[in-house]
Amino acid sequence: DAKTTQPPSMDCAEGRAANLPCNHSTISGNEYVYWYRQIHSQGPQYIIHGLKNNETNEMASLIITEDRKSSTLILPHATLRDTAVYYCIVRGYSGGGADGLTFGKGTHLIIQP
Amino acid sequence: DTEVTQTPKHLVMGMTNKKSLKCEQHMGHRAMYWYKQKAKKPPELMFVYSYEKLSINESVPSRFSPECPNSSLLNLHLHALQPEDSALYLCASSQRVNTEAFFGQGTRLTVV
Repeated sequence: DAKTTQPPSMDCAEGRAANLPCNHSTISGNEYVYWYRQIHSQGPQYIIHGLKNNETNEMASLIITEDRKSSTLILPHATLRDTAVYYCIVRGYSGGGADGLTFGKGTHLIIQP
Repeated sequence: DTEVTQTPKHLVMGMTNKKSLKCEQHMGHRAMYWYKQKAKKPPELMFVYSYEKLSINESVPSRFSPECPNSSLLNLHLHALQPEDSALYLCASSQRVNTEAFFGQGTRLTVV
């Protein structure tokens, strides 16, 4: 699976959009971009994933650049409860069976009141 | 029901004890996972089960023994652990490859 690079920490004001970047310059054609977050002392929570098109769900939007070498997770109206470590993960297709997620260090997003 | 349930939530065990961690899901998922997370570190994959068969063992010491008795249950048997094995143990499940994984809240294990 391709490696990802994320800033170690970011701040965002409550009510504003939080934009979390991720670089994955070695991503290959069949690899998906996944985002998870982990609130302190809880299990990771799935947010969103995509292959090449932009995706949106009730939690967030995922913008993937045309060359797929980077992506941005957007939380449109951040709240204090969005303070967490956000993980960008590139996950390949292993051709059968199941594989596991490989977590990097992630971005610690702190929402300021 | 999108829940993965792990029991117990907290466990303290001595180095000579034998204990088991349990994980359960009723989403019909056929892949289940164990992760280990040390403080201030990301989760690390330990084991992957696919269709009740062990498909990935990330070179985990034999004092950790996974078991998948059926498609809804995943156990992690612990024996002769060391204090450095103290960590948050997370279970997850997913429907198949390239689908999202759902995590439990973890078992906080302390080895004394």
